[in-house]
Amino acid sequence: EPEVTQTPSHQVTQMGQEVILRCVPISNHLYFYWYRQILGQKVEFLVSFYNNEISEKSEIFDDQFSVERPDGSNFTLKIRSTKLEDSAMYFCASSEISSGVYEQYFGPGTRLTVT
Amino acid sequence: AQKVTQAQTEISVVEKEDVTLDCVYETRDTTYYLFWYKQPPSGELVFLIRRNSFDEQNEISGRYSWNFQKSTSSFNFTITASQVVDSAVYFCALRGGSTLGRLYFGRGTQLTVWP
Repeated sequence: EPEVTQTPSHQVTQMGQEVILRCVPISNHLYFYWYRQILGQKVEFLVSFYNNEISEKSEIFDDQFSVERPDGSNFTLKIRSTKLEDSAMYFCASSEISSGVYEQYFGPGTRLTVT
Repeated sequence: AQKVTQAQTEISVVEKEDVTLDCVYETRDTTYYLFWYKQPPSGELVFLIRRNSFDEQNEISGRYSWNFQKSTSSFNFTITASQVVDSAVYFCALRGGSTLGRLYFGRGTQLTVWP
């Protein structure tokens, strides 16, 4: 069964460093999302992306964050200058739009630890 | 505004007991979608079910059943004859009128099933 994949599974970085989290959505999906989950808290929406542009973003998704689809398969989230409070699990999700089924399928997550 | 409330933070049951996880939602949209996701200890988010606002039929899938009641804005999830493998955090989520919009998650309910 097709699935969303994410790399790395765990990333440790120092405060102020840039990180790029990578996602490979399900191949025929065209709508992509990033969510994050601070340890023990609820899952929060960051941004959605369609047709090479941001569709919607939350108040969390400030200028430190950016997303990109650099090629036909990858979808990345970049944090320019990480802060301690960016430590969280980051989930990528994708959704198909052609069949009328709009479930968001989530990847396994990348645990980001900022020290 | 969209909001999901899962009042039960933690529930513990003994194997074979039935357990119901509560979910109450708020939305002004006339069309909306409700979801349940499971997050096992390994951390990934596993899609369980989607319910459209115009379909109030309850659903059963094996040991799982869902009770959607628009009159009380609730979408409760029951596990019958619980098993240790059901131990996980369960999230209820809401998506507003846009079929591809962001998900709003509740805070989750930690279910522990003891042998």
